[in-house]
Amino acid sequence: GQSLEQPSEVTAVEGAIVQINCTYQTSGFYGLSWYQQHDGGAPTFLSYNALDGLEETGRFSSFLSRSDSYGYLLLQELQMKDSASYFCAAKGGSARQLTFGSGTQLTVLP
Amino acid sequence: AAGVIQSPRHLIKEKRETATLKCYPIPRHDTVYWYQQGPGQDPQFLISFYEKMQSDKGSIPDRFSAQQFSDYHSELNMSSLELGDSALYFCASSTRDSANSNEKLFFGSGTQLSVL
Repeated sequence: GQSLEQPSEVTAVEGAIVQINCTYQTSGFYGLSWYQQHDGGAPTFLSYNALDGLEETGRFSSFLSRSDSYGYLLLQELQMKDSASYFCAAKGGSARQLTFGSGTQLTVLP
Repeated sequence: AAGVIQSPRHLIKEKRETATLKCYPIPRHDTVYWYQQGPGQDPQFLISFYEKMQSDKGSIPDRFSAQQFSDYHSELNMSSLELGDSALYFCASSTRDSANSNEKLFFGSGTQLSVL
């Protein structure tokens, strides 16, 4: 099965940089994804890492180290609208079973 | 652009009743996923379909069943509803039309099920 661990809460101020870590244990690993979810909303895809290294998409970047079973999401120039839950996720099985981590609630303060 | 469509948006049922949730994936997406999310919880994988065939099974109770039809829409059937089934149910779809593209799941807005 898959197990992904994240911090439950992170708080930062507008304009700051925040890093959300994710450690995983999976039986079979294809890569690490990140999703954002606002209260009552649907999860929205942010980023995906199949290989080691950094992927940058605008203000968001994601990093993966397969040897350490570790990844992180980096959010720069934080805005109030970034307040949301962030989930790391990994696939297993036949690659059509995406398991989510426990989620990190990010609160951005003015 | 077309998105994943779920219906109904809200559903209220009594204990022991049945419920059917519908999902219309993005056109030409070959994989459909169902997730259950309780308040403050992460989405829990229930079941997935690839090209209308069941692919993977997660923590789906025996009281629940799902299928994907010839037009690619999917339905989640829930029987003998319990209070603990109250949750937000998401459907998502994906496609492998380019490298790693099937890693990007597109989620519908969800069905909020309340069991009283």
